[in-house]
Amino acid sequence: EAGVAQSPRYKIIEKRQSVAFWCNPISGHATLYWYQQILGQGPKLLIQFQNNGVVDDSQLPKDRFSAERLKGVDSTLKIQPAKLEDSAVYLCASSPEGGSYEQYFGPGTRLTVT
Amino acid sequence: AQSVTQLDSHVSVSEGTPVLLRCNYSSSYSPSLFWYVQHPNKGLQLLLKYTSAATLVKGINGFEAEFKKSETSFHLTKPSAHMSDAAEYFCVVSGATGGKLIFGQGTELSVKP
Repeated sequence: EAGVAQSPRYKIIEKRQSVAFWCNPISGHATLYWYQQILGQGPKLLIQFQNNGVVDDSQLPKDRFSAERLKGVDSTLKIQPAKLEDSAVYLCASSPEGGSYEQYFGPGTRLTVT
Repeated sequence: AQSVTQLDSHVSVSEGTPVLLRCNYSSSYSPSLFWYVQHPNKGLQLLLKYTSAATLVKGINGFEAEFKKSETSFHLTKPSAHMSDAAEYFCVVSGATGGKLIFGQGTELSVKP
């Protein structure tokens, strides 16, 4: 079974520029998550989708971050405009359902904002 | 609110000796608890999970953890460390709204030959 795919793996941008990340979850997984992992910290949930609806986006900085999950499959996370403090690894995960089911993580996208 | 505290930011052991990574949790209800491992430049991988069944949970690669409600702890152990165990380990609790994972700060495990 193919795992969670993410692209790009690395991205370097200047502050105030825009950037987008893409995630393809495991086939059939209804729930998709985006996490932000700042160096030296544990991942923090940004947004959770159930199919193509948002379940939890309470920690998403909505003035600059946006995310969508078209047709309940792939998802994109966008930052516009980027700030220095957005430098982090952005992780996508999926699971068959919410609750205590295991989440399967992708390799992440490492973003550096200069 | 749910939270986890990993008591050590870094643990160093010699190959072949036991591993103990400590985690305390806080939860207003019966939690689901997990340990994830992250090797450099690789994705997070689930080691084991506790979901209100047996309190001693066995995971992959010889790791196990014991849920102790009275101590609000979920420590990760392994009898004998291997060089390949060197990685970052995260203790995780599932949030009240199903599916949300709340991660600890992580413990970096070093294994000396």
